[in-house]
Amino acid sequence: EDKVVQSPLSLVVHEGDTVTLNCSYEVTNFRSLLWYKQEKKAPTFLFMLTSSGIEKKSGRLSSILDKKELFSILNITATQTGDSAIYLCAVNSGGSNYKLTFGKGTLLTVNP
Amino acid sequence: DAGVTQSPTHLIKTRGQQVTLRCSPKSGHDTVSWYQQALGQGPQFIFQYYEEEERQRGNFPDRFSGHQFPNYSSELNVNALLLGDSALYLCASSLRRLADPSYEQYFGPGTRLTVT
Repeated sequence: EDKVVQSPLSLVVHEGDTVTLNCSYEVTNFRSLLWYKQEKKAPTFLFMLTSSGIEKKSGRLSSILDKKELFSILNITATQTGDSAIYLCAVNSGGSNYKLTFGKGTLLTVNP
Repeated sequence: DAGVTQSPTHLIKTRGQQVTLRCSPKSGHDTVSWYQQALGQGPQFIFQYYEEEERQRGNFPDRFSGHQFPNYSSELNVNALLLGDSALYLCASSLRRLADPSYEQYFGPGTRLTVT
């Protein structure tokens, strides 16, 4: 059975801190790894990673994938209170079909 | 450009009842996937519809069924509701590209189902 494990499950930091969120996976047919931010309801897309070692960046957020060690990290620098959310890691392992297997998420709280 | 829309926003049902949730995909998308997100958990894949057929299914009982219409919109039906079916139900749409090794899903705002 496909499995995605995120750590830590929750994290409390102060504004300006840098955080690293972890995601490890075991899937039978890896296609890509995705990061989402979920504030209230709909998860919003952050990154899609398919190749090892290539960092994706968007402002203060960045992510990288290691397909040999089967993990990914999401970094957030200079955190702001607006970064408070649940961060979800998901792996697309659908093969000829398609499905996302999600981790439980990391609840990030950024205090002023 | 309209994103993924879902209805209703929330509803309350009683154990044993049946419920139908609806989803309209993002414009131009042809594939709809449904997920169940229980409180404190990540979303769990229920099933996916493409070309009006169920293409893949997660570990959910037959009480969960779906349908896709020619305009790509989709319904999720749950029969004989249990208390444990209380969750946020998310619909995600995408454009199927068989030659593309990976593609993105866009999520709707979800339907919050409470079973009492």
